[in-house]
Amino acid sequence: QVQLVESGGGLVKPGGSLRLSCAASGFTFSDYYMSWIRQAPGKGLEWVSYISSSGSTIYYADSVKGRFTISRDNAKNSLYLQMNSLRAEDTAVYYCARAGRAFDYWGQGTLVTVSS
Amino acid sequence: EIVMTQSPATLSVSPGERATLSCRASQSVSSNLAWYQQKPGQAPRLLIYGASTRATGIPARFSGSGSGTEFTLTISSLQSEDFAVYYCQQYNNWPPGGFTFGPGTKVDIK
Repeated sequence: QVQLVESGGGLVKPGGSLRLSCAASGFTFSDYYMSWIRQAPGKGLEWVSYISSSGSTIYYADSVKGRFTISRDNAKNSLYLQMNSLRAEDTAVYYCARAGRAFDYWGQGTLVTVSS
Repeated sequence: EIVMTQSPATLSVSPGERATLSCRASQSVSSNLAWYQQKPGQAPRLLIYGASTRATGIPARFSGSGSGTEFTLTISSLQSEDFAVYYCQQYNNWPPGGFTFGPGTKVDIK
């Protein structure tokens, strides 16, 4: 069965950096586009970034452009999100999601808290 | 950027009753519209894609309709496990507009 498991979240100070990982299993990872989506505490869902199956095409939300970098390693069935210059408003649960028919599978999420 | 709106913000329904949730896009998204269910402490789950196609394993009591700018999610007979927040999301306007979600409709017990 399809499984997505995020890791790497935690508490970081404003201006700091964090790298999230998402381990995929149960499907051919290299066939699928992938995304990161976040949810601030008590708020709705916000799409963050998107990467094509080969990694050659990447998009970001304006709110993270220039600060976050999405990447993938198809040999390791893994998706990453490098987050730099973190701000308080980046505090959220970060989900990785498979972009099949819409976002058809989601991980359980990893919490990122940006606070001094 | 396409803005998604949902109504109502909260819907109070008794078990066994029908629930009708609305989603509107600020411009046409064709049929590139999905619905997700999210329960407290859980990740969202895809219910409907292509405006009206149920995702794998989704019960038949969930149905979606609409195209263009107006969409509806109907739950024909609410079960206890259906009380949750429901989000719509467009995936028509990318790039560069991204994928935008509506603010959600909370379905709670009347």
